[in-house]
Order: sequence, then structure tokens, then C-alpha cells
Amino acid sequence: AQSVTQLDSHVSVSEGTPVLLRCNYSSSYSPSLFWYVQHPNKGLQLLLKYTSAATLVKGINGFEAEFKKSETSFHLTKPSAHMSDAAEYFCVVISGTYKYIFGTGTRLKVLA
Amino acid sequence: EPEVTQTPSHQVTQMGQEVILRCVPISNHLYFYWYRQILGQKVEFLVSFYNNEISEKSEIFDDQFSVERPDGSNFTLKIRSTKLEDSAMYFCASSEVGQIEQYFGPGTRLTVT
Repeated sequence: AQSVTQLDSHVSVSEGTPVLLRCNYSSSYSPSLFWYVQHPNKGLQLLLKYTSAATLVKGINGFEAEFKKSETSFHLTKPSAHMSDAAEYFCVVISGTYKYIFGTGTRLKVLA
Repeated sequence: EPEVTQTPSHQVTQMGQEVILRCVPISNHLYFYWYRQILGQKVEFLVSFYNNEISEKSEIFDDQFSVERPDGSNFTLKIRSTKLEDSAMYFCASSEVGQIEQYFGPGTRLTVT
């Protein structure tokens, strides 16, 4: 069965410092993976997706993620955090046809 | 940019009552989904819908739940007789044929008292 594990429920960074949000996946075949962001009172917004093409995936707002099969990881990074990045981030894997399996979420706090 | 919309944003209902949550998917999308998130828990898949029928449903999606596309724009989730444990945020999503990325609405917070 497909699953994802987000290793940190909360992450705090200072503005201008790098962001690392960790996600490990479990899959019996080559997975399709996503990162979504949820700002307060907003829907889930797609940041980026991995579908077995390039292992380094670039997304919106300067985020990127690297698929590492040897580590079964798909960590989300950004070189320099901005106050507007404060939100909840979800790692997602597709199971079956189009069913999304969500991680538990990581709440990112950005300190001024 | 096209968006998925959901109404109402917050619904309060009494146990045993029927509720209908409404969604307007992105206009050229043909796959529709409902997910829910109980407070403090994961977002969970409920059901997917394509070509006027359910494609897949989870164990949560029992006989008290139903989905419908009553017209060309709306997609609804009905809970026949609400229970306290149905209190959650319900998200609607849609996707294009042949595309795996889903676009989510802002959610409806359902509170059952």
C-alpha cells in the first residue's frame, strides 16, 4: 500500500534562511508524489509534482523537491524563507488510479 | 485563474439531520473528489466520481454518504443522517482527464452538535 510520512509536525525557520520539510514515502511501484500548501482559510494549492521524469522538481514560489529512490524520500526545500511561506504543507502520494494519500502535514512558521 | 469553490464555508447541524455540501469544480474538469479532515488528523479520501458514477470509494464512504452531479456545474456530497463523528473539514477537488494533479476548494467546515 502507498503511504507517506512527514517527519516533522512543526518547523520554525527565520526569514531568509533555508527551509527543509521532510517526507518519506512507501510504495510498491514508482510513485507519483506531490507537495501541497494550505494557507489559513484557503484551499490546498499544488506546489509541485513528481512523476518519474527529472528527480529534481521545481515548483512555484521558489520551492523544489528531490526524489531519492535510495532513501525513499521526497523532501521539500527552499533556499530562503519568506514570511508569506508560513502555512501547512502536505506531502501526497497517489494510490491506485487517482486517490490521494496525504501525510499528516507540517506546519511551517517563519520568524521575523 | 479558475478555482474550485465550495459552499457553505461553515455548516452547523444537529445530529441526525441531513446535510448537503456543494462544490463547483473547474469547468473543463471531469474527475471529481471528496476528502475530509477531522480536526488534528490526516486528510482522508472519501470518493472519486467520473462520468456520473463513483470510480472509487473508501471504507468511510458508507451508505449514509452519497454524491451527485445534479447539473453541469455542481457536485454535491450528501450525508443522510449526520453523526457527531462526521464533524470535519470537507474538501472538494477536481482534475482534468489524463492529468493526475487535483485542484482543491477551500473546504466546508461541518460541525455536528
